[in-house]
Amino acid sequence: RKEVEQDPGPFNVPEGATVAFNCTYSNSASQSFFWYRQDCRKEPKLLMSVYSSGNEDGRFTAQLNRASQYISLLIRDSKLSDSATYLCVVPRAGGYNKLIFGAGTRLAVHP
Amino acid sequence: EAQVTQNPRYLITVTGKKLTVTCSQNMNHEYMSWYRQDPGLGLRQIYYSMNVEVTDKGDVPEGYKVSRKEKRNFPLILESPSPNQTSLYFCASLGQMNTEAFFGQGTRLTVV
Repeated sequence: RKEVEQDPGPFNVPEGATVAFNCTYSNSASQSFFWYRQDCRKEPKLLMSVYSSGNEDGRFTAQLNRASQYISLLIRDSKLSDSATYLCVVPRAGGYNKLIFGAGTRLAVHP
Repeated sequence: EAQVTQNPRYLITVTGKKLTVTCSQNMNHEYMSWYRQDPGLGLRQIYYSMNVEVTDKGDVPEGYKVSRKEKRNFPLILESPSPNQTSLYFCASLGQMNTEAFFGQGTRLTVV
């Protein structure tokens, strides 16, 4: 099993739709989780951090399910500008020097 | 402005010709790291550095070298590049445990 797994997509949704991505992780001891956004061929940028059960920032909600070892990202009222790849990131146990990146989920929002 | 700067942004080179990709950060971060990104594989860590003169291998270190003589700089060295090192490379710096990683703009390397 991969340390961090994501559905690669693409998720093709119309503007205004609600879309959710899941990310599963293998290390049950992980305490913090991150969602990064990456636009085509550009650097990843932090979207949200998740330290407890979840986090909400405007249209974006991240939730953590420790029992099933997955985190989710929910995007409400999708905008064209939300089109990007969303990377799930989990620090490997033992220190922050090992950030494990999922391969990413691609989202395409169309008019 | 907080930033991580990589150079060059694009590079095409031939097999065996030594090259260096520079990385510099202005945030006084102790931790820096190099990743490569390939389709379907996500970002994989090549090397990282916890502080000046402290470096260690990541998950895919073969064919790469690094150095950390100053806190702000963390160059990636390919002594003898090969075509399988064709990839998109990112440098990142991180201030403290479990906080945001700041990435450089990336270096797209092609080895022919």
